[in-house]
Amino acid sequence: GAGVSQSPSNKVTEKGKDVELRCDPISGHTALYWYRQSLGQGLEFLIYFQGNSAPDKSGLPSDRFSAERTGGSVSTLTIQRTQQEDSAVYLCASSLAWRESSGANVLTFGAGSRLTVL
Amino acid sequence: GEDVEQSLFLSVREGDSSVINCTYTDSSSTYLYWYKQEPGAGLQLLTYIFSNMDMKQDQRLTVLLNKKDKHLSLRIADTQTGDSAIYFCAESMGNTGKLIFGQGTTLQVKP
Repeated sequence: GAGVSQSPSNKVTEKGKDVELRCDPISGHTALYWYRQSLGQGLEFLIYFQGNSAPDKSGLPSDRFSAERTGGSVSTLTIQRTQQEDSAVYLCASSLAWRESSGANVLTFGAGSRLTVL
Repeated sequence: GEDVEQSLFLSVREGDSSVINCTYTDSSSTYLYWYKQEPGAGLQLLTYIFSNMDMKQDQRLTVLLNKKDKHLSLRIADTQTGDSAIYFCAESMGNTGKLIFGQGTTLQVKP
């Protein structure tokens, strides 16, 4: 598509429920990143995909968080047994395949999915 | 460690220059970035600078990089009310190209 699409744009859930957030990157972008934006916390890296594999999961805050990517395209971030501290905006970004020698890594961001856990 | 620091808030009058400052920790970062976030929107790339440069100018935007002090700044000339937003600086890390962002600086432009 023309841009990075994320859905849902807003999600309100009850504590303890599972949620799935979806990201549809720009066509042809093999790199995909998930970030979390919380009030007062800035932008926190969660996970990086290159194609369907995730060589860097270092930012996932707990084992309740998981993500997958299929067909080198759509990615889903799943949060199990949601807690109130999971409330945040979850941002997805994509970029062309990147190597250190290939110049700046220009990430294009989606508008985000705002998650509220009651 | 990975740490990018920014001041949280800046208020200026329309027509003045704005200067947003940032410090970073990874001296091996090859590129440093400035992103802008308007209310309810995702982040939009404003500009980036290669680490062997000390200045980059793009219309009203000037980026200054002091690699020795690991200090990056973004100057916006003739600031307009439409420039009101959150500005994030970021450094690229390691061999994944992931960006590590600062907390963001909220720029308020008063008419």
